[in-house]
Order: sequence, then C-alpha cells, then structure tokens
Amino acid sequence: EAQVTQNPRYLITVTGKKLTVTCSQNMNHEYMSWYRQDPGLGLRQIYYSMNVEVTDKGDVPEGYKVSRKEKRNFPLILESPSPNQTSLYFCASSLSGHYGYTFGSGTRLTVV
Amino acid sequence: EDKVVQSPLSLVVHEGDTVTLNCSYEVTNFRSLLWYKQEKKAPTFLFMLTSSGIEKKSGRLSSILDKKELFSILNITATQTGDSAIYLCAAYSGGGADGLTFGKGTHLIIQP
Repeated sequence: EAQVTQNPRYLITVTGKKLTVTCSQNMNHEYMSWYRQDPGLGLRQIYYSMNVEVTDKGDVPEGYKVSRKEKRNFPLILESPSPNQTSLYFCASSLSGHYGYTFGSGTRLTVV
Repeated sequence: EDKVVQSPLSLVVHEGDTVTLNCSYEVTNFRSLLWYKQEKKAPTFLFMLTSSGIEKKSGRLSSILDKKELFSILNITATQTGDSAIYLCAAYSGGGADGLTFGKGTHLIIQP
C-alpha cells in the first residue's frame, strides 16, 4: 500500500531533550516536506526536500533540523525542544508539489 | 508573499443542506490549486485544478477554478454527517522551490 509512515504518533517530552520524528514513504517520491499544524494558524511548512541531500527551509524552520540521506526517509530533528514546539506535525511526500502531497498520519508532540 | 485565504473559517449546517466553501489565492507563477479534506488526522486529497472553468466532480463534491478572479470554490450537495471535517485549500506556485501554500482551512460541521 502506498503510504507515508510517521513515528511516533504521540510523544510527550521535556524541554531540551533531543528528539527525532521519523518519516518514510514507499512511493519513490522526489519531494518530501514537514508541516506543523496549530489552531488558527493552519498548516505551516517547516522544511522540504526536493531530492536526496537537497533540503531547504520552509516558513517556520527555527528550532528544527532535517536530513535526506535516502530518498524514502526524511526525519525531523528537534535538538532542544521547547514548549512552543508543541504541535501536530505532518510529514508528506509528492512527485512534485504540483500534484499535491500525500500526508502521513501525524505526530502529536507535547513539550513540557 | 504567497497567500491563500479561505472563507468561512467555520460553518455549521444541517444534514441535507448544500454548502459552498471559498478559496482565494495570490501566488506568483500559479500552477495548480488543491483541495484536501482533514477529518481526525491527516489531510486526504480531493481535487487538483489547473484550468479555469472546468468543474471537477466526485460524488456529491465538486470544485471549480477561476484563474482570472483568483479563486476556487468547493461545493458539497446533500451534506451528510460524514462530511464534517476541515477542508483545506492549497495553491502551488511552481518554480524551483516547493511552492505549496495552504490556507487556514474551513471547519465544516454537519448537524443531524
């Protein structure tokens, strides 16, 4: 089944403790992207990648890192999480943005 | 700066009613407009529109794009409680970067 898989689905962590949210797609898509979704703010792009080793900042990159060492994987790294990073995170992949993204199921992150 | 504005932000109707959701956009090098439905978790793709005046239809849902006036509408006829969701509109601006800009969504609630 074609899908984007994120893990974990839920995570509660403490301020400053490094964490990684994994994302994997099995559709051989070139484009991958991370979004955060907050009430009243909609979906905002954090980082995106157009291919292996090609990444770029989205609208809200501060406090996040990504890597794209393989085509299928695009992990999101929070080196020192803070409470303002409490949010619902989505990973997505696409042949190109023109065709829209397929989204993962989301990761609900709470930083206390 | 690219911008996508959806209206209304929230809408409550009775089952059986017809609803129209609006999406206006201002993006450079516009390529396509996408509609997504978000229920409990991940947004799921509904339509991609690239040409003005050509209606896309899927069951009770339909959508049309006006590239001259820079807007799109999503119609849902004979609404059902299962149509309750957040409906997201996104505009793709093409170019070398990932140019997908999301609106904040319309929260649609269908009351029995």
